[in-house]
Amino acid sequence: EVQLVESGGGLVKPGGSLRLSCAASGFTFSSYSMNWVRQAPGKGLEGVASISRTSSYISYGDSVKGRFTISRDNAKNSLYLQMNSLRVEDTAVYYCARDKPSSSWVDASDIWGQGTMVTVSS
Amino acid sequence: DIVMTQSPDSLAVSLGERATIHCKSSQSLLYISNNKNYLAWYQQKPGQPPKLLIYWASTRESGVPDRFSGSGSGTDFTLTISSLQAEDVAVYYCQQYYSTPLTFGGGTKVEIK
Repeated sequence: EVQLVESGGGLVKPGGSLRLSCAASGFTFSSYSMNWVRQAPGKGLEGVASISRTSSYISYGDSVKGRFTISRDNAKNSLYLQMNSLRVEDTAVYYCARDKPSSSWVDASDIWGQGTMVTVSS
Repeated sequence: DIVMTQSPDSLAVSLGERATIHCKSSQSLLYISNNKNYLAWYQQKPGQPPKLLIYWASTRESGVPDRFSGSGSGTDFTLTISSLQAEDVAVYYCQQYYSTPLTFGGGTKVEIK
């Protein structure tokens, strides 16, 4: 079964750090671009970061640029999001999402994890 | 960044009737070299992750009922549910993947009238 499972969420104080992980199974992880997408409570979807199959291309949303770092380990079938200098407004469910195979380095996302909650509060 | 604007914010439709959602992008999503529009539609039900319905603006994802259809090109797009079913109650989002960062519309909540 094709699956993405996020972990690493929790409660952190403003200014703190957190590292999210996404474990992929059921498909050849190294063949797909991957994304982190977040959703604040009661709000819409926001693209956080994207990474190509070999990590050659990386992109960040404006609100997290310079604070968050996306990475992947194809040998471990895992995607990561290192979040530093966290702010109250970073509070959200963070989803890991797989792109459809494509000649472009980004595409529509056809597989999503269930998400992990990050709460930034003093 | 490309800004995606959806309308309406919410709509109530009777069972069996048509629901239409609009999405407008701040720049064209049509890639001339392959004549494809880099636009996707997702459905999200409460407590669940988003589900891909439509990509390339009009291609239905495998397993998606044919009552869902996408249309449009350039900067203006539409998602149509031809005959609303109870299980279609959800929030619908458009997303552009023409350029990074990926951006989403604000969402449209579809309810039963």
